[in-house]
Amino acid sequence: QQQVKQSPQSLIVQKGGISIINCAYENTAFDYFPWYQQFPGKGPALLIAIRPDVSEKKEGRFTISFNKSAKQFSLHIMDSQPGDSATYFCAATIGGYNKLIFGAGTRLAVHP
Amino acid sequence: DVKVTQSSRYLVKRTGEKVFLECVQDMDHENMFWYRQDPGLGLRLIYFSYDVKMKEKGDIPEGYSVSREKKERFSLILESASTNQTSMYLCASNSGGSGTTGELFFGEGSRLTVL
Repeated sequence: QQQVKQSPQSLIVQKGGISIINCAYENTAFDYFPWYQQFPGKGPALLIAIRPDVSEKKEGRFTISFNKSAKQFSLHIMDSQPGDSATYFCAATIGGYNKLIFGAGTRLAVHP
Repeated sequence: DVKVTQSSRYLVKRTGEKVFLECVQDMDHENMFWYRQDPGLGLRLIYFSYDVKMKEKGDIPEGYSVSREKKERFSLILESASTNQTSMYLCASNSGGSGTTGELFFGEGSRLTVL
Protein backbone atom coordinates (compact mmCIF):
# COMPACT_ATOMS: atom_id res chain seq x y z
CA GLN A 1 0.00 0.00 0.00
CA GLN A 2 1.76 3.09 -1.25
CA GLN A 3 0.45 6.15 0.50
CA VAL A 4 2.56 8.57 -1.55
CA LYS A 5 2.66 7.97 -5.29
CA GLN A 6 5.50 9.58 -7.20
CA SER A 7 5.94 10.02 -10.94
CA PRO A 8 7.72 9.74 -13.26
CA GLN A 9 10.12 6.98 -12.29
CA SER A 10 12.83 8.54 -14.45
CA LEU A 11 13.21 11.84 -16.23
CA ILE A 12 15.63 13.21 -18.81
CA VAL A 13 15.88 16.96 -19.22
CA GLN A 14 18.17 19.14 -21.28
CA LYS A 15 20.37 21.68 -19.53
CA GLY A 16 18.40 24.86 -18.93
CA GLY A 17 15.04 23.12 -19.05
CA ILE A 18 12.43 22.68 -16.35
CA SER A 19 12.26 19.39 -14.42
CA ILE A 20 8.89 18.52 -12.92
CA ILE A 21 8.27 15.66 -10.50
CA ASN A 22 4.82 14.92 -9.18
CA CYS A 23 3.50 13.29 -6.04
CA ALA A 24 0.00 12.41 -4.90
CA TYR A 25 -1.18 11.32 -1.50
CA GLU A 26 -4.30 9.79 0.01
CA ASN A 27 -4.19 10.64 3.70
CA THR A 28 -5.59 14.13 4.30
CA ALA A 29 -4.04 14.13 7.77
CA PHE A 30 -0.53 14.54 6.31
CA ASP A 31 0.79 17.93 7.39
CA TYR A 32 4.40 18.10 6.26
CA PHE A 33 5.74 17.40 2.78
CA PRO A 34 9.52 17.37 2.28
CA TRP A 35 11.58 16.57 -0.78
CA TYR A 36 14.91 14.76 -0.45
CA GLN A 37 17.73 14.68 -2.99
CA GLN A 38 20.13 11.75 -3.26
CA PHE A 39 23.36 11.68 -5.25
CA PRO A 40 24.96 8.33 -6.20
CA GLY A 41 26.82 6.79 -3.28
CA LYS A 42 25.34 9.24 -0.78
CA GLY A 43 22.40 9.26 1.58
CA PRO A 44 19.36 11.44 0.84
CA ALA A 45 19.48 15.04 2.02
CA LEU A 46 16.61 17.46 2.64
CA LEU A 47 16.12 19.77 -0.33
CA ILE A 48 12.96 21.74 0.42
CA ALA A 49 9.74 21.22 2.39
CA ILE A 50 6.23 22.66 2.58
CA ARG A 51 3.25 22.63 4.91
CA PRO A 52 -0.33 22.50 3.54
CA ASP A 53 -1.20 26.04 4.63
CA VAL A 54 0.74 27.49 1.68
CA SER A 55 0.39 26.74 -2.04
CA GLU A 56 3.96 27.36 -3.09
CA LYS A 57 7.44 27.54 -1.65
CA LYS A 58 10.51 28.62 -3.56
CA GLU A 59 14.17 28.24 -2.68
CA GLY A 60 16.50 29.32 -5.45
CA ARG A 61 15.78 27.23 -8.55
CA PHE A 62 13.63 24.75 -6.60
CA THR A 63 9.89 25.29 -6.10
CA ILE A 64 7.25 23.13 -4.44
CA SER A 65 3.70 23.62 -5.70
CA PHE A 66 1.00 22.27 -3.40
CA ASN A 67 -2.63 21.58 -4.33
CA LYS A 68 -4.49 20.60 -1.18
CA SER A 69 -7.84 19.94 -2.86
CA ALA A 70 -6.26 17.61 -5.41
CA LYS A 71 -3.97 16.05 -2.78
CA GLN A 72 -0.99 16.61 -5.02
CA PHE A 73 2.34 18.36 -4.75
CA SER A 74 5.17 18.77 -7.19
CA LEU A 75 8.80 19.79 -7.38
CA HIS A 76 9.90 22.15 -10.14
CA ILE A 77 13.57 22.63 -10.92
CA MET A 78 14.08 25.69 -13.05
CA ASP A 79 17.11 26.10 -15.32
CA SER A 80 18.08 22.48 -14.68
CA GLN A 81 21.80 21.80 -14.53
CA PRO A 82 23.85 18.60 -14.95
CA GLY A 83 24.72 18.92 -11.24
CA ASP A 84 21.01 18.42 -10.46
CA SER A 85 21.24 14.86 -11.77
CA ALA A 86 20.19 12.77 -8.79
CA THR A 87 17.31 10.76 -7.39
CA TYR A 88 14.52 12.79 -5.83
CA PHE A 89 12.10 11.51 -3.21
CA CYS A 90 8.91 13.17 -2.07
CA ALA A 91 7.61 12.33 1.38
CA ALA A 92 4.79 13.05 3.79
CA THR A 93 4.15 12.71 7.48
CA ILE A 94 1.58 13.41 10.18
CA GLY A 95 1.99 15.41 13.37
CA GLY A 96 5.74 15.05 13.78
CA TYR A 97 8.73 13.74 11.98
CA ASN A 98 9.07 10.18 13.09
CA LYS A 99 7.29 8.31 10.34
CA LEU A 100 7.97 9.85 6.99
CA ILE A 101 6.26 8.02 4.14
CA PHE A 102 8.46 8.24 1.05
CA GLY A 103 7.52 8.05 -2.60
CA ALA A 104 9.25 5.57 -4.88
CA GLY A 105 11.75 8.09 -6.18
CA THR A 106 12.52 9.78 -9.52
CA ARG A 107 15.88 9.44 -11.18
CA LEU A 108 16.64 12.74 -12.93
CA ALA A 109 19.31 13.05 -15.61
CA VAL A 110 20.12 16.52 -16.93
CA HIS A 111 21.99 16.35 -20.20
CA PRO A 112 24.41 19.13 -21.21
CA ASP B 1 27.87 19.48 10.38
CA VAL B 2 25.73 16.59 11.44
CA LYS B 3 27.38 13.32 10.73
CA VAL B 4 25.73 9.94 10.57
CA THR B 5 28.27 7.20 10.10
CA GLN B 6 27.50 3.69 8.95
CA SER B 7 30.48 1.52 9.68
CA SER B 8 30.13 -0.90 6.77
CA ARG B 9 29.55 0.41 3.25
CA TYR B 10 29.51 -2.99 1.56
CA LEU B 11 28.83 -6.41 3.04
CA VAL B 12 28.45 -9.85 1.48
CA LYS B 13 26.90 -12.50 3.70
CA ARG B 14 25.55 -16.00 3.27
CA THR B 15 21.98 -17.12 3.85
CA GLY B 16 21.39 -17.86 7.52
CA GLU B 17 24.21 -15.70 8.83
CA LYS B 18 23.61 -13.13 11.56
CA VAL B 19 24.30 -9.61 10.33
CA PHE B 20 24.97 -6.48 12.34
CA LEU B 21 24.73 -3.01 10.77
CA GLU B 22 26.06 -0.25 12.98
CA CYS B 23 25.19 3.45 12.90
CA VAL B 24 26.59 6.32 14.95
CA GLN B 25 25.47 9.97 14.98
CA ASP B 26 27.37 12.86 16.51
CA MET B 27 24.64 15.48 17.02
CA ASP B 28 22.98 14.22 20.18
CA HIS B 29 19.77 13.48 18.26
CA GLU B 30 16.96 11.80 20.15
CA ASN B 31 15.56 9.92 17.17
CA MET B 32 17.29 7.34 15.02
CA PHE B 33 15.92 5.35 12.12
CA TRP B 34 16.71 2.41 9.87
CA TYR B 35 15.37 2.49 6.30
CA ARG B 36 15.67 0.07 3.48
CA GLN B 37 16.03 1.41 -0.08
CA ASP B 38 15.05 -0.68 -3.09
CA PRO B 39 14.59 0.48 -6.71
CA GLY B 40 10.99 1.38 -7.45
CA LEU B 41 9.99 1.10 -3.80
CA GLY B 42 11.64 4.19 -2.34
CA LEU B 43 12.66 4.23 1.29
CA ARG B 44 10.77 2.01 3.68
CA LEU B 45 11.04 2.36 7.45
CA ILE B 46 12.19 -0.78 9.27
CA TYR B 47 12.50 0.44 12.87
CA PHE B 48 13.03 3.65 14.71
CA SER B 49 14.06 4.67 18.21
CA TYR B 50 13.15 7.84 20.08
CA ASP B 51 15.27 7.18 23.14
CA VAL B 52 17.88 4.84 24.54
CA LYS B 53 16.52 1.32 24.86
CA MET B 54 13.27 2.38 23.19
CA LYS B 55 12.21 1.15 19.76
CA GLU B 56 9.17 1.11 17.54
CA LYS B 57 8.37 -0.97 14.50
CA GLY B 58 8.20 0.73 11.16
CA ASP B 59 6.46 -0.55 8.07
CA ILE B 60 8.63 -3.61 7.36
CA PRO B 61 10.09 -4.93 10.65
CA GLU B 62 9.80 -8.64 9.85
CA GLY B 63 13.18 -10.37 9.88
CA TYR B 64 14.91 -7.48 11.63
CA SER B 65 15.61 -6.34 15.17
CA VAL B 66 17.37 -3.30 16.57
CA SER B 67 19.40 -2.24 19.57
CA ARG B 68 19.99 1.16 21.08
CA GLU B 69 22.14 0.94 24.19
CA LYS B 70 23.63 4.42 23.83
CA LYS B 71 22.05 7.60 22.51
CA GLU B 72 24.51 7.97 19.65
CA ARG B 73 24.42 4.38 18.40
CA PHE B 74 21.65 2.41 16.70
CA SER B 75 22.21 -1.10 15.40
CA LEU B 76 20.17 -3.11 12.91
CA ILE B 77 20.33 -6.88 13.31
CA LEU B 78 19.36 -9.52 10.79
CA GLU B 79 19.07 -12.67 12.91
CA SER B 80 19.19 -15.03 9.94
CA ALA B 81 19.90 -13.27 6.66
CA SER B 82 17.89 -14.25 3.61
CA THR B 83 18.36 -13.40 -0.06
CA ASN B 84 15.32 -11.11 -0.03
CA GLN B 85 17.15 -8.91 2.47
CA THR B 86 19.70 -7.97 -0.18
CA SER B 87 19.32 -4.21 -0.26
CA MET B 88 20.71 -0.79 0.59
CA TYR B 89 20.23 0.05 4.27
CA LEU B 90 20.15 3.67 5.35
CA CYS B 91 20.47 4.97 8.88
CA ALA B 92 19.12 8.41 9.77
CA SER B 93 18.69 10.63 12.78
CA ASN B 94 16.87 13.80 13.76
CA SER B 95 16.04 15.91 16.73
CA GLY B 96 12.60 15.35 18.15
CA GLY B 97 12.42 18.61 20.03
CA SER B 98 9.79 21.28 19.44
CA GLY B 99 10.81 24.08 17.14
CA THR B 100 12.93 21.81 15.00
CA THR B 101 12.38 21.23 11.30
CA GLY B 102 12.39 17.48 11.67
CA GLU B 103 15.04 17.22 8.99
CA LEU B 104 16.35 13.70 8.67
CA PHE B 105 20.13 13.32 8.41
CA PHE B 106 21.14 10.18 6.58
CA GLY B 107 24.28 8.11 6.53
CA GLU B 108 25.80 7.04 3.20
CA GLY B 109 24.24 3.61 3.34
CA SER B 110 25.30 0.00 3.75
CA ARG B 111 24.84 -2.19 0.71
CA LEU B 112 24.17 -5.74 1.82
CA THR B 113 24.27 -8.72 -0.51
CA VAL B 114 23.02 -12.05 0.81
CA LEU B 115 24.12 -15.07 -1.22
